Amino acid sequence: DAGVIQSPRHEVTEMGQEVTLRCKPISGHNSLFWYRQTMMRGLELLIYFNNNVPIDDSGMPEDRFSAKMPNASFSTLKIQPSEPRDSAVYFCASSLGQSTGELFFGEGSRLTVL
Amino acid sequence: AQRVTQPEKLLSVFKGAPVELKCNYSYSGSPELFWYVQYSRQRLQLLLRHISRESIKGFTADLNKGETSFHLKKPFAQEEDSAMYYCALLPYNQGGKLIFGQGTELSVKP
Repeated sequence: DAGVIQSPRHEVTEMGQEVTLRCKPISGHNSLFWYRQTMMRGLELLIYFNNNVPIDDSGMPEDRFSAKMPNASFSTLKIQPSEPRDSAVYFCASSLGQSTGELFFGEGSRLTVL
Repeated sequence: AQRVTQPEKLLSVFKGAPVELKCNYSYSGSPELFWYVQYSRQRLQLLLRHISRESIKGFTADLNKGETSFHLKKPFAQEEDSAMYYCALLPYNQGGKLIFGQGTELSVKP
């Protein structure tokens, strides 16, 4: 297995543009997590899914952020409209089961909003 | 409140010196704690978990409930230990989400 796959690896966009980040979890994993990494705040959980169902989106900063998981092998994180303060590395992670504590992370999507 | 605090953003030591990366947590129940590591140009990955009481790459971490701490230690640091280290808390019955600290960058100098 290639592990968790994220795309794009790098995205540079202008303020106001829509950004879509994509994630393919490890096959068979039933939990998926979106985290944001910044120098100031470290790793923050944005939202997570169990069996494709969003469980907790309390970490989503504001209505500009949305996430979907239409099936077990694909998830998206969308920012519309994007702002410079959204610049960060966005990580997707998946896990098998809900209480293992072992998350498998993707390589991250580095977003720069100008 | 559920919180993980890593007070040091950067820790710099010389090769062969002991290392201790600090982690404190706030959690009302019985915690499950983990250390994750991110080496340069690699993915964030699990290093060790407290319930296993294992030593990985020479690192150990002991849960101290009295001090609400889970510090990561290694007696003799190696240059290849240079990386970003994150302490994480797994709250009970919350879908498997992890709450991470802000991370500590460890730099081991030759």
